[in-house]
Amino acid sequence: AQSVAQPEDQVNVAEGNPLTVKCTYSVSGNPYLFWYVQYPNRGLQFLLKYITGDNLVKGSYGFEAEFNKSQTSFHLKKPSALVSDSALYFCAVRANYGGSQGNLIFGKGTKLSVKP
Amino acid sequence: DAGVIQSPRHEVTEMGQEVTLRCKPISGHNSLFWYRQTMMRGLELLIYFNNNVPIDDSGMPEDRFSAKMPNASFSTLKIQPSEPRDSAVYFCASRDSGTSTDTQYFGPGTRLTVL
Repeated sequence: AQSVAQPEDQVNVAEGNPLTVKCTYSVSGNPYLFWYVQYPNRGLQFLLKYITGDNLVKGSYGFEAEFNKSQTSFHLKKPSALVSDSALYFCAVRANYGGSQGNLIFGKGTKLSVKP
Repeated sequence: DAGVIQSPRHEVTEMGQEVTLRCKPISGHNSLFWYRQTMMRGLELLIYFNNNVPIDDSGMPEDRFSAKMPNASFSTLKIQPSEPRDSAVYFCASRDSGTSTDTQYFGPGTRLTVL
């Protein structure tokens, strides 16, 4: 089955501390992996993606994600969190087979709360 | 680029009324997706189109929901009759399926409240 899991419903971090939002995936073949962010009352915004190449992918707003094939993970990271990073974060994987091939399978989302 | 445009941004209606949500995809994109987001169920894919043709509507909740894409620059999602349980935020997203990355770009959403 093709799926994405975000094991944490919420992550709480103090401003200035590093943050990690976890994501694991299950898909056959080479995974295409994505992170999106949703600020309150807004649509999902594309943050970054892994297609191939370097396992560390850099994206918008200082975020990066590390692809780990052996652990089938694609955790989102930022060295120093800002209060303005507080939002809902979605991990997604491209479906590689079946009727929905090419579409994105989204996780349930993780709410990130950064406190001053 | 204006991005994906959705209208209206907010819609409040009474049970039994017809609701039409509209979407204009990014110019040049040939795939379009309708999603629904609720607290209980998260983000759900309702239907998607490739080159204006509906490919998979298995996510459409029931016959009260219908979607059309008469041309490459416009799509509608209609609910008739609407029910309170349809209250949600509805997102439209588009993609250029000619690229290899399959990145989807989302609109701002329509917040629907059915009383």
